[in-house]
Parts: sequence; C-alpha cells; structure tokens
Amino acid sequence: GENVEQHPSTLSVQEGDSAVIKCTYSDSASNYFPWYKQELGKRPQLIIDIRSNVGEKKDQRIAVTLNKTAKHFSLHITETQPEDSAVYFCAASRSTGTASKLTFGTGTRLQVTL
Amino acid sequence: GAVVSQHPSRVICKSGTSVKIECRSLDFQATTMFWYRQFPKQSLMLMATSNEGSKATYEQGVEKDKFLINHASLTLSTLTVTSAHPEDSSFYICSASWTVVETQYFGPGTRLLVL
Repeated sequence: GENVEQHPSTLSVQEGDSAVIKCTYSDSASNYFPWYKQELGKRPQLIIDIRSNVGEKKDQRIAVTLNKTAKHFSLHITETQPEDSAVYFCAASRSTGTASKLTFGTGTRLQVTL
Repeated sequence: GAVVSQHPSRVICKSGTSVKIECRSLDFQATTMFWYRQFPKQSLMLMATSNEGSKATYEQGVEKDKFLINHASLTLSTLTVTSAHPEDSSFYICSASWTVVETQYFGPGTRLLVL
C-alpha cells in the first residue's frame, strides 16, 4: 500500500519567515495530494490540494509543489503569522474523481514565534 | 457549505461497554464516509470506508466485529465500538464526501476515554 513520509516533524520559524514542509510517497499511482491543518483538539481542515497533472498551485500565502518523477511534494507558507501555528499533514490518494482513501503523513508541528 | 458534524464530542465509558458515534453531513449527501482514529500526537489512521447502502471496507488490522460501521443513509454513518477497552481510547474522526468530489470534509471528532 501507499506510504507517506513527512519532514520535519517539528518546525519553528519567526513571524514573517517562510516555512517549508516536505513529503514523499511510494505509490506511483497516487494522483491527489491534499494538505490539512489541524489545531489542537480540532478537526483537520483542507488548506490546499494538488493533482498530478500540475506541478504547482498557489493560494495567497500558501503554495504546493509536486515532483511526480521523484514522488515528492512540498508545502510552502510565506510571511508566516502566529495563527499559522498548528500541525500540518500531507496526504496522498489514488483518486478516480471521487473521494478515495487518504494515506496521511506523520505530521509537522509548526510553531510561529513573535 | 460541506459541514460535517459528530456526536458526541466527548464520551467516557467503562471497560466492556459499547459506544456509538454518529457522523452526519449537514448540507450535502455523503455517498462516501471515512472513519479515522488518531492517538495523541500521531497521525490519522484510516479505519474503514463506507458507502451508503453497502458494507464498510475495513483497513488491515481493524477488527470489523469490534468497530461496527453503518451507513444507512446519505447523511448519517455510525461507528459503534463494541466491548470497549482502555486501549480503544482515542480521538475518532469521520470525514465525508460526495460523488465526483475528491475532497474529504472532516467532522470535529469524538474523544473516547475508556476507564
């Protein structure tokens, strides 16, 4: 089955700096890669996703890049703010156009300090 | 839009009892629902996938007789933890989606503590 590795496990940045989280996946058939943000005790919330037919997607301060050949994808957060502090999970799935089982990475705890 | 609720949000029970957790899609018809378990400071682990009107598909290592899943309608799925034991204490989260959409929308989770 699919295996998703995520690094780093913890990341501390100063407010205004950029943060980068990296994930690798094992199943070359995976084609849908969402990123979720989870605050303590809360539900995961989708922040951005990318499909295998594109290499990069951006939404304001958040961007995701995908390298299908190397089977890795990354989350980039620019101009970080204290409210960005949370645990971020990457995930991968084989999508056929409908929701399919997600395999999650191990998570990255991001701390944005003032 | 795409709101998913769970009930209860928190439950404490004695070892050996059964606990039912409900997952509802409030503003859409959920053709597929997923159940995850999350231990403290760990990732989400998929337990099972359920499609409305059919039997759930369980992940390897998840006991289907212990974790009963019912997806009887397009807006409701239930997870029953039977004969709960302390090691079943965890955060249980459901997600839901509908046809032709890849995104999963998560419920707020249910924290189960088995004494």
